[in-house]
Amino acid sequence: DAGVTQSPTHLIKTRGQQVTLRCSPISGHKSVSWYQQVLGQGPQFIFQYYEKEERGRGNFPDRFSARQFPNYSSELNVNALLLGDSALYLCASSPGQGAIYNEQFFGPGTRLTVL
Amino acid sequence: AQSVTQLGSHVSVSEGALVLLRCNYSSSVPPYLFWYVQYPNQGLQLLLKYTTGATLVKGINGFEAEFKKSETSFHLTKPSAHMSDAAEYFCAVSRDSGTYKYIFGTGTRLKVLA
Repeated sequence: DAGVTQSPTHLIKTRGQQVTLRCSPISGHKSVSWYQQVLGQGPQFIFQYYEKEERGRGNFPDRFSARQFPNYSSELNVNALLLGDSALYLCASSPGQGAIYNEQFFGPGTRLTVL
Repeated sequence: AQSVTQLGSHVSVSEGALVLLRCNYSSSVPPYLFWYVQYPNQGLQLLLKYTTGATLVKGINGFEAEFKKSETSFHLTKPSAHMSDAAEYFCAVSRDSGTYKYIFGTGTRLKVLA
């Protein structure tokens, strides 16, 4: 079975630009979460979506937004890029909500570099 | 609020030696605890998890961890290190609270010496 897939693998943008990152969850998984991992740190929670609704938001500015589509894939958008947005962006999926579904499966990430 | 502390950002062990990576958590409710491994330029792979039940949890690649409520700890161990264990390890805490996010520690980079 295919795991979580993310595209693109790498991305280079300049300050002020906008970027869209994409994630396809494991087949049958309805929940998608996004994390930002800055070099040398642990992943930081950005968003969680379940059944196309936002179910959680981390401490990130409004420049960050996301959505989930009917097929449960997801996009993360970041506007007005700053140098500090350079990071590995990880997508994770899980089957649903509820304690037994608490395990998340991570994709390989998208490496974003802002110049 | 939940939090995770990983003591030691870098740990070096000799091949064949015991691996011990430390994780302490803070949570107002019984936590769910996870250890993930990250190899260079890759995503996170689950090593093991504790939700309920037996406090000694066995994972993949010979790793295990013990949940100690009294010490608020969930240290990761492996009896004999292998060169392929060199990677970054993250401890995470989560709880069924409506938002299924993980709180990650800052990570421990494990180096295995030949």
